[in-house]
Amino acid sequence: IAGITQAPTSQILAAGRRMTLRCTQDMRHNAMYWYRQDLGLGLRLIHYSNTAGTTGKGEVPDGYSVSRANTDDFPLTLASAVPSQTSVYFCASSASGTYNEQFFGPGTRLTVL
Amino acid sequence: GQNIDQPTEMTATEGAIVQINCTYQTSGFNGLFWYQQHAGEAPTFLSYNVLDGLEEKGRFSSFLSRSKGYSYLLLKELQMKDSASYLCAASDSNYQLIWGAGTKLIIKP
Repeated sequence: IAGITQAPTSQILAAGRRMTLRCTQDMRHNAMYWYRQDLGLGLRLIHYSNTAGTTGKGEVPDGYSVSRANTDDFPLTLASAVPSQTSVYFCASSASGTYNEQFFGPGTRLTVL
Repeated sequence: GQNIDQPTEMTATEGAIVQINCTYQTSGFNGLFWYQQHAGEAPTFLSYNVLDGLEEKGRFSSFLSRSKGYSYLLLKELQMKDSASYLCAASDSNYQLIWGAGTKLIIKP
């Protein structure tokens, strides 16, 4: 692994189904983030984690949950998907939760029907 | 509230210079980031400014005025590969990034 990876690349999901988007980084970064990107809108922060074992809510957390059991992994779970969660999801990491630049994964394109 | 404004789209000619403006309003301020995002790809870091003034990095430069809540990204000697969206993001008092919607830059030969 080099950098930050996400899986799956894309997914079509029926409404009401549960879905976990995976994110793994090998840079030993402390901070990790989940964003969604919708056409005409900026990246919006869903959840973040400043260090393993801690998580926080971002701007649009409703309907999503995260966990940070270790430094490398930061999965995002949609408990019961709805069509408004159709979006491109980006995972990002940074060395710390302050001044450092964020590195982004390739994204997951999710469609909820 | 917190807000980032940048133009939706700009067009420029190959070899020319273009300036992409960004204004921000945040609760607290810990710096201004610029990212480049090609269509269908992830954003990649271009620059970071926390002090007033101009930071130059090759063909790209970024400027910040904290008193005016204003930044710009200057791209010189434009190349076709510079066709992309350019995202402005301000770091607020909690070090969370507030993102603009991005400026789509179209380069014409």
